[in-house]
Amino acid sequence: LAKTTQPISMDSYEGQEVNITCSHNNIATNDYITWYQQFPSQGPRFIIQGYKTKVTNEVASLFIPADRKSSTLSLPRVSLSDTAVYYCLVGQNSNYQLIWGAGTKLIIKP
Amino acid sequence: DVKVTQSSRYLVKRTGEKVFLECVQDMDHENMFWYRQDPGLGLRLIYFSYDVKMKEKGDIPEGYSVSREKKERFSLILESASTNQTSMYLCASSLGLWTPAVYEQYFGPGTRLTVT
Repeated sequence: LAKTTQPISMDSYEGQEVNITCSHNNIATNDYITWYQQFPSQGPRFIIQGYKTKVTNEVASLFIPADRKSSTLSLPRVSLSDTAVYYCLVGQNSNYQLIWGAGTKLIIKP
Repeated sequence: DVKVTQSSRYLVKRTGEKVFLECVQDMDHENMFWYRQDPGLGLRLIYFSYDVKMKEKGDIPEGYSVSREKKERFSLILESASTNQTSMYLCASSLGLWTPAVYEQYFGPGTRLTVT
């Protein structure tokens, strides 16, 4: 059974690039990795999704190495408004099991 | 924009009461989910439904039941509320079961339930 592990917290400064890594063992080649952002008093919000190599959208990039034992969410040039909790989710296509990480609290400082 | 609404933002109930949490989505999504969120534990799936009248147990279904009579509405029921069910409850919806879109979930704002 797959399990996901994320750092509990991270901090950085405005304008920096932030990388948050999620470790996930025992995932299959077609299992998807999805990242969410959550602000206080709100539900999580979808950021990005992929299952191999690199995916980029207007807000983030997702890097998945060939061994697929981890994935990294990359936020370019963060601002104070990126302070939030970030969750990784492994979706197992064999049985549509959802394996959520416990979340990483990211604090951006001025 | 997808909108997922939950019937209450805050709810206080007494031990032993029957509690209904309602969730409505307006995007004709097939899948709907109920999670609870507790500090340090992230999101834990209680139940999900991939079609009207269909339901599947998640990781922590004990003490809960669900109902989906219409595609847009998914209800979570606590048959006899207990203090250990005090938590934040989040509803979500997504498209299609047999595609990666199932993992692109749209969440409601949550209901903070306190059982005293």
